[in-house]
Amino acid sequence: DGGITQSPKYLFRKEGQNVTLSCEQNLNHDAMYWYRQDPGQGLRLIYYSQIVNDFQKGDIAEGYSVSREKKESFPLTVTSAQKNPTAFYLCASSKRTWASSGANVLTFGAGSRLTVL
Amino acid sequence: AQSVAQPEDQVNVAEGNPLTVKCTYSVSGNPYLFWYVQYPNRGLQFLLKYITGDNLVKGSYGFEAEFNKSQTSFHLKKPSALVSDSALYFCAVRPSGGGSQGNLIFGKGTKLSVKP
Repeated sequence: DGGITQSPKYLFRKEGQNVTLSCEQNLNHDAMYWYRQDPGQGLRLIYYSQIVNDFQKGDIAEGYSVSREKKESFPLTVTSAQKNPTAFYLCASSKRTWASSGANVLTFGAGSRLTVL
Repeated sequence: AQSVAQPEDQVNVAEGNPLTVKCTYSVSGNPYLFWYVQYPNRGLQFLLKYITGDNLVKGSYGFEAEFNKSQTSFHLKKPSALVSDSALYFCAVRPSGGGSQGNLIFGKGTKLSVKP
């Protein structure tokens, strides 16, 4: 079955450490996204990529980095510069969004929960 | 500023009763509107969307939503709630006509609790 796989499901980090969250999709989608979810705050966009080797900052990119070397993969690194990294992280993908097709539906992974010790 | 509001943090409904989860938006132009559902510790699942046309949109699991342009609302409804409908529901909007691709604006979510 096609879908998005996020790993690990749970991750613990010590302060000062960088951690990388994996996101892999087999839906042949061009666009991929990373969201952060905090209780009562909805979803906030961290980074997005419309095509391989290109990505853009979202609303809360500070302290995060991404790469898009393959169409199927969009890993997120939470760096030590992110002061409050404890959150639930969601990866999503969709067909490439053009101005005339903004109604593309996002498919989400099951999420990764990061806790800073 | 463009935004989406879900005015209720939680909605409580008895099983078998109709349910409504409210959503209002403030965006420029004609928006694309979505509802997603999230079960505990899972990703979001798409329920339905409004692009254009009929104001009443039917989606998955018996849910429907009504687009009201004059009230800038897109409330989610179901005629008869099930205990299994208990989850977190998100309204999202994307302004039409270009701009940042894929940058959906999400509401803060409404927790639906359906009691037997």
